[in-house]
Amino acid sequence: DAGVIQSPRHEVTEMGQEVTLRCKPISGHDYLFWYRQTMMRGLELLIYFNNNVPIDDSGMPEDRFSAKMPNASFSTLKIQPSEPRDSAVYFCASSISGTHQPQHFGDGTRLSIL
Amino acid sequence: GIQVEQSPPDLILQEGANSTLRCNFSDSVNNLQWFHQNPWGQLINLFYIPSGTKQNGRLSATTVATERYSLLYISSSQTTDSGVYFCAVHSGTYKYIFGTGTRLKVLA
Repeated sequence: DAGVIQSPRHEVTEMGQEVTLRCKPISGHDYLFWYRQTMMRGLELLIYFNNNVPIDDSGMPEDRFSAKMPNASFSTLKIQPSEPRDSAVYFCASSISGTHQPQHFGDGTRLSIL
Repeated sequence: GIQVEQSPPDLILQEGANSTLRCNFSDSVNNLQWFHQNPWGQLINLFYIPSGTKQNGRLSATTVATERYSLLYISSSQTTDSGVYFCAVHSGTYKYIFGTGTRLKVLA
């Protein structure tokens, strides 16, 4: 079975540009999570969805960040306008509800804002 | 919110040695997972273990929920075990909190 698929794997762009990161969760999973990993702050949960509905976005750093999940098989994380301090690895993960169900992570998107 | 602390922060082992990694958490949890982040940055799920003991090959984990800690045991370590080990917890809301990790280097 395919795992969580993220694209692009790497993104380099200039400050001020819009950045869109994409995620396809594992089929049948009803939870989707966006994380950011930096050296300074480690792994932080930005937002998570259940059945395509955002449940908790308290980790989204500021209004420049937005996330959507238009259907069960696709989610986007958008940064507009981007800033150098947004440089990080962004991970998407999915899981299925119920007890004893782990998260499964994608390979991440390494984002560099110049 | 829940605080998650991992120890030791860094660990260097000779191939074949055993090790124990610890994860302490400040409140009761519904879910605890151990992950391995390999040198390529991939996060691999090792165990889902909110309580009890599990084993998978050379790895095993024990969580004592009443005392708020979990241990990950690595036996007969191999160079491919190198990377960073994270524990992550949530208390029922699916809002996962990650620890700061243990960076493991296994020398050939």
